[in-house]
Amino acid sequence: GEDVEQSLFLSVREGDSSVINCTYTDSSSTYLYWYKQEPGAGLQLLTYIFSNMDMKQDQRLTVLLNKKDKHLSLRIADTQTGDSAIYFCAESLGYSTLTFGKGTMLLVSP
Amino acid sequence: DGGITQSPKYLFRKEGQNVTLSCEQNLNHDAMYWYRQDPGQGLRLIYYSQIVNDFQKGDIAEGYSVSREKKESFPLTVTSAQKNPTAFYLCASSTSSLVRDEQFFGPGTRLTVL
Repeated sequence: GEDVEQSLFLSVREGDSSVINCTYTDSSSTYLYWYKQEPGAGLQLLTYIFSNMDMKQDQRLTVLLNKKDKHLSLRIADTQTGDSAIYFCAESLGYSTLTFGKGTMLLVSP
Repeated sequence: DGGITQSPKYLFRKEGQNVTLSCEQNLNHDAMYWYRQDPGQGLRLIYYSQIVNDFQKGDIAEGYSVSREKKESFPLTVTSAQKNPTAFYLCASSTSSLVRDEQFFGPGTRLTVL
């Protein structure tokens, strides 16, 4: 079955890099996504990576995919207090349903 | 502005009452979804619809019902059969493309049953 696992909490200081990790179980996944949720709000798509890629960079965000280990990570460079939120990784098999992890709460302190 | 709207933002109901949550999108997306979010539980799929007049149960459909009479609208009814309805409900939509199927989310409705 499908399952997506994430650590629940990460605390960093402003200006440091943050790395949020995710493992998934379904090797058939076509796309993997990172979403951000601010308090009391919906989810906002941050970035995605296709399963045949190893890395994708988008401004301060770097996504690394290790398909052999089914491990996905999101690195946020120069983390700001506005980055404090819950981050969800999600996997897709390409049939329009996503399986989400339980989310990692990122707390950025000044 | 294209997007997904959910109303109301906060909803209070007495135990035993049915309640309907609204979700509207003007993105011309074929697929729409309802999720429930509880603290520390992530998102769990309630129902989804890939096309008008068709919908499928997700992982936790018991106690919920939906309809999809129009492409733009996918209302969710929380019935009195749902044992623990207090939660944050999120609606999403996607193009239903088999190539890439990122979902766009509404702002959510927080339902509290008293």
